[in-house]
Amino acid sequence: GAVVSQHPSWVICKSGTSVKIECRSLDFQATTMFWYRQFPKQSLMLMATSNEGSKATYEQGVEKDKFLINHASLTLSTLTVTSAHPEDSSFYICSARDGGPPNQPQHFGDGTRLSIL
Amino acid sequence: DQQVKQNSPSLSVQEGRISILNCDYTNSMFDYFLWYKKYPAEGPTFLISISSIKDKNEDGRFTVFLNKSAKHLSLHIVPSQPGDSAVYFCAASVRDGANSKLTFGKGITLSVRP
Repeated sequence: GAVVSQHPSWVICKSGTSVKIECRSLDFQATTMFWYRQFPKQSLMLMATSNEGSKATYEQGVEKDKFLINHASLTLSTLTVTSAHPEDSSFYICSARDGGPPNQPQHFGDGTRLSIL
Repeated sequence: DQQVKQNSPSLSVQEGRISILNCDYTNSMFDYFLWYKKYPAEGPTFLISISSIKDKNEDGRFTVFLNKSAKHLSLHIVPSQPGDSAVYFCAASVRDGANSKLTFGKGITLSVRP
């Protein structure tokens, strides 16, 4: 099946640090990748949609200057949380959709637990 | 406004019995529905999906039923196994191309007792 790798799985850092999270599709080409955020006991909330070679589309209320997304190739998207603060602590998950066959589901990475001290 | 609702936060079932997980939605434009399973500290894993042109889709022990008039879908797992214990998310989308977005419910925690 389709495999999405997300790295790192856990980050603890000081306030003011910028953190980069990578999302890779390992066995398929993903023209579109999605970034989600999940708070405890809540649903996954879409932050942005990322298309290879173009600017990401951010959901309402998500600061694009705070959460920088780069989709440089068909297998890699990165999310950079800039100048992270404790309120940015959360579980971040990426997903990717196979750009080949139509009507494919999104496949998810294992997520990144971000803790800002 | 929660467009996809999973009103029961948890469900406990005996091994070998049927698990029925329910999901309701409010957006009549949704035409594609998915169920994902999630273990702690892992990302969601795709289980099964259904298009709005169908009312049932079956894959092994998993069957999804869709009632469009009631805006309701359910996931049936039979027989339930202890390894099925996880959080199950219902998701819905409007299929309008590669960028079609998923809207998730809050999830149901299923516990299957040995």
